[in-house]
Amino acid sequence: DSGVTQTPKHLITATGQRVTLRCSPRSGDLSVYWYQQSLDQGLQFLIQYYNGEERAKGNILERFSAQQFPDLHSELNLSSLELGDSALYFCASSVGGLDPAGELFFGEGSRLTVL
Amino acid sequence: DAKTTQPPSMDCAEGRAANLPCNHSTISGNEYVYWYRQIHSQGPQYIIHGLKNNETNEMASLIITEDRKSSTLILPHATLRDTAVYYCIVLTQGGSEKLVFGKGTKLTVNP
Repeated sequence: DSGVTQTPKHLITATGQRVTLRCSPRSGDLSVYWYQQSLDQGLQFLIQYYNGEERAKGNILERFSAQQFPDLHSELNLSSLELGDSALYFCASSVGGLDPAGELFFGEGSRLTVL
Repeated sequence: DAKTTQPPSMDCAEGRAANLPCNHSTISGNEYVYWYRQIHSQGPQYIIHGLKNNETNEMASLIITEDRKSSTLILPHATLRDTAVYYCIVLTQGGSEKLVFGKGTKLTVNP
């Protein structure tokens, strides 16, 4: 158990819909990262937040947005869903940025299926 | 883009040492080598990291060549539960650079 909690574990929805994935980081961790893993793309970095502010951005689509709240939990919002958005979405947390150990703790993921 | 090269797959017998190689010929002086693994569809798990010196923890050992252009992750006594995809990543410690996962090495431990 990494201490990172993601909900829901599974989600099935239709094209065009909007979903929200939630992540609770490990106690004391200030950074939250979101990754997408699809069969053909591997693990793709989407976005990082540190203490409520966006810190790094990766291959995140404009239809996707995220935020980190004052209690440090984070939400990833996916809108106008397409079939290709079906994937595992992982959240990870770390103490702060990538200090001191560069060790990220990953949750078990949210599996999104778009039909 | 991933800055590392790993073999796509490897096999290892249970109980034997698994030696997973990684090439990172363009690594710079302030970049660390990190290893993660992902057991089927679970979240990736941190294993170990190092800069210059060899490192060992309860999970594995990391051997980095003197020129730092390659490294080897060693699982001393592989078990069936070590079957996973292993990712070698180079990263600047403390920077804003995010972890970039390549394709990794699929290690299969056979009974």
